[in-house]
Amino acid sequence: GNSVTQMEGPVTLSEEAFLTINCTYTATGYPSLFWYVQYPGEGLQLLLKATKADDKGSNKGFEATYRKETTSFHLEKGSVQVSDSAVYFCALSSPGNQFYFGTGTSLTVIP
Amino acid sequence: ETGVTQSPTHLIKTRGQQVTLRCSSQSGHNTVSWYQQALGQGPQFIFQYYREEENGRGNFPPRFSGLQFPNYSSELNVNALELDDSALYLCASSPTSGDSSYEQYFGPGTRLTVT
Repeated sequence: GNSVTQMEGPVTLSEEAFLTINCTYTATGYPSLFWYVQYPGEGLQLLLKATKADDKGSNKGFEATYRKETTSFHLEKGSVQVSDSAVYFCALSSPGNQFYFGTGTSLTVIP
Repeated sequence: ETGVTQSPTHLIKTRGQQVTLRCSSQSGHNTVSWYQQALGQGPQFIFQYYREEENGRGNFPPRFSGLQFPNYSSELNVNALELDDSALYLCASSPTSGDSSYEQYFGPGTRLTVT
């Protein structure tokens, strides 16, 4: 079956620190991989995606590379800001475009 | 371009009652998916509708049912509410089914509380 395992949180970082949130997946076939972000009181917003092996998704300084050999899609950012404080969800999309999400990682960035 | 909208924003129901949640998909999108997000958890796939037909279902009992209308808006119905049904219910639309590369666009959700 399809599933996503995400790094447990919460994560607290100082502003300008380096961020890594680990994500691994199990899937049948060739899924697409996504990172979504949820700010307090809001719905999920797409952060970035990658649709095939070795693709790198990037947006707003965040990056993630689709690694088929390690079934991973780790999220990274070189220098976090207070405004990056949110919950981050890793997800995969099955061939039927049905999404499977991880449990989410809460990030708090302190000035 | 109008995004995904959901109504109501909040709802309080009593155990055993029935509830209907509504979703309007983004313009041009013919596929709607529903998710349940319990507190502190990731969204769980309930089901998907494509061109008014159910097109996949997650591990939810039959008392969770849905509809999609010709304008691609959708309803989620839950019968015989249980306390564990308390959650944020998210609707998401996408331009088509059958292509995993398309992202889904999420609405703000309906917060359901069952007492």
